[in-house]
Amino acid sequence: DSGVTQTPKHLITATGQRVTLRCSPRSGDLSVYWYQQSLDQGLQFLIQYYNGEERAKGNILERFSAQQFPDLHSELNLSSLELGDSALYFCASSVDGSPPLHFGNGTRLTVT
Amino acid sequence: GESVGLHLPTLSVQEGDNSIINCAYSNSASDYFIWYKQESGKGPQFIIDIRSNMDKRQGQRVTVLLNKTVKHLSLQIAATQPGDSAVYFCAEDYGGSNYKLTFGKGTLLTVNP
Repeated sequence: DSGVTQTPKHLITATGQRVTLRCSPRSGDLSVYWYQQSLDQGLQFLIQYYNGEERAKGNILERFSAQQFPDLHSELNLSSLELGDSALYFCASSVDGSPPLHFGNGTRLTVT
Repeated sequence: GESVGLHLPTLSVQEGDNSIINCAYSNSASDYFIWYKQESGKGPQFIIDIRSNMDKRQGQRVTVLLNKTVKHLSLQIAATQPGDSAVYFCAEDYGGSNYKLTFGKGTLLTVNP
């Protein structure tokens, strides 16, 4: 168990809808990362937060947004969902933005 | 090697044999490398990492080798066990203050009892 908690484990929703994925980092970790894992693209970095502030952005669509709250948990918001957004979404955390990253078990999103 | 979609490179070994999983990385400026193991239904699990000022690092039953000349990374697993069956990813990062890791496509290791 990595200590990173993600909810929900599974999410099924329709195109055009909006969902929120939640992540609690390991105790003491200040930095949170979001990754998307799909069959054709592998693990893709989306965004990183450090102590509540955005630190780095990757291949995150404008329809997606995230934030890290004062208690250090993070949420990833996905809106105007498309079929192609179906994927596993992983959260990872690290102590201070330094490696290694520790991953949660992901949220499986299915868009129908 | 690299692959796309469902066609992951695969490695099948017998229990007790040594396994070697290879990875070609893309950025000559990368200075940090890491191996993860992902079992079905779980997130990637940290195995071992190495910085570019080293060419070898050992852990428990695992060794990572780094060849910067040819941008190649390998993971050696000694006395492979059925519980080692998983997809193995290498990842690289080219430093700065943000370690966001660029992942390879993964290799599926199957250990036959």
